[in-house]
Amino acid sequence: DGGITQSPKYLFRKEGQNVTLSCEQNLNHDAMYWYRQDPGQGLRLIYYSQIVNDFQKGDIAEGYSVSREKKESFPLTVTSAQKNPTAFYLCASRSGPWNTEAFFGQGTRLTVV
Amino acid sequence: AQTVTQSQPEMSVQEAETVTLSCTYDTSESNYYLFWYKQPPSRQMILVIRQEAYKQQNATENRFSVNFQKAAKSFSLKISDSQLGDTAMYFCARADGSQGNLIFGKGTKLSVKP
Repeated sequence: DGGITQSPKYLFRKEGQNVTLSCEQNLNHDAMYWYRQDPGQGLRLIYYSQIVNDFQKGDIAEGYSVSREKKESFPLTVTSAQKNPTAFYLCASRSGPWNTEAFFGQGTRLTVV
Repeated sequence: AQTVTQSQPEMSVQEAETVTLSCTYDTSESNYYLFWYKQPPSRQMILVIRQEAYKQQNATENRFSVNFQKAAKSFSLKISDSQLGDTAMYFCARADGSQGNLIFGKGTKLSVKP
């Protein structure tokens, strides 16, 4: 079955550590996105990529980094520079930039301990 | 930042009644696309309906329809014959073709009461 997979579902990080969230899709989609979801804040765009080896910052990119070395994969690294990383993170993909539907993973809940 | 605004943080409706969720947006693009997504308690995002800005006809999907007012940059969602399973967070989103981004509003929490 085609879909988009995020792992792990729950992640705990100690302060000062970097952590990487995985996002893999087998939908052959060109565009991939990372969002952060906090209560009352909706989905805020962190980074997005329209093509392999290219990505753009979203509204809240500070403290995060991404790579897009393969079409199927778009990992997000939460660095120690991110001051408040505890949140729910959603990855999405679309086949193109226009009216195509975005498909979402089931999310990763990151907690700083 | 070009924004998407949902002015109703929470709403409730009686089962079988009709409810309308509001959304306004800002864009400098001439062509763009608008979406409503539903996020039930499972947190899995589900597409409800989409609208292409150059189409004047309002989109409809079964019990869900939109009122798209391009000049006013308004895109409201009407849910008819509300069902208990409609209880969820609803997010309005805008996609700009030239930039490839997909921007969401803060969401409206809808509760359908029996």
